[in-house]
Amino acid sequence: GAVVSQHPSWVICKSGTSVKIECRSLDFQATTMFWYRQFPKQSLMLMATSNEGSKATYEQGVEKDKFLINHASLTLSTLTVTSAHPEDSSFYICSALTTGTSGGRSTDTQYFGPGTRLTVL
Amino acid sequence: AQTVTQSQPEMSVQEAETVTLSCTYDTSESDYYLFWYKQPPSRQMILVIRQEAYKQQNATENRFSVNFQKAAKSFSLKISDSQLGDAAMYFCAYQSYNTDKLIFGTGTRLQVFP
Repeated sequence: GAVVSQHPSWVICKSGTSVKIECRSLDFQATTMFWYRQFPKQSLMLMATSNEGSKATYEQGVEKDKFLINHASLTLSTLTVTSAHPEDSSFYICSALTTGTSGGRSTDTQYFGPGTRLTVL
Repeated sequence: AQTVTQSQPEMSVQEAETVTLSCTYDTSESDYYLFWYKQPPSRQMILVIRQEAYKQQNATENRFSVNFQKAAKSFSLKISDSQLGDAAMYFCAYQSYNTDKLIFGTGTRLQVFP
């Protein structure tokens, strides 16, 4: 259980174009999804929190107009990199949050997609 | 603000041996969650183990166990009977009780030698 997919797994685009990345929770519903960026040999950097039916919450320093996030259903969130430039080249990873309680305690846990490698020429 | 520190950029272990990866964190909160995630060369992040701060008992998942020392703010991962498939980057992560955001450490690359 708790499988998350991403599409595409890799994409190459020309500078100035827009690219859309999809994140799907395959066997559970996710009210909340997260988008991360990972540079080579570095840790994951949280970009934004995606909430179904409402606006995404962006981390400080992340351009909202450049990284558009839409969470239109309980199983799908999309990240659109608008007017992409070479400096946007990176590995983008999404996660979906499973929620629940056990013994009155939260069991919320993030499960990650396989990532999308974006190369902007 | 909370921080997570992994002081070992790289570790190596012989197959079938045991290895321990270190993680320390800084927080003023009393209730939180701690995680270890594995990222193999495929770059798929895989949940290894989850620990609740209010639980004294250390979490275990098959060959993986943690040594959670709340007072010392330490959360190490022990891998027993290491296998070649354990070779990966291992990330320690912190999650506040009131938010689902994860704060990751810088990672430890584990090599497993036959």
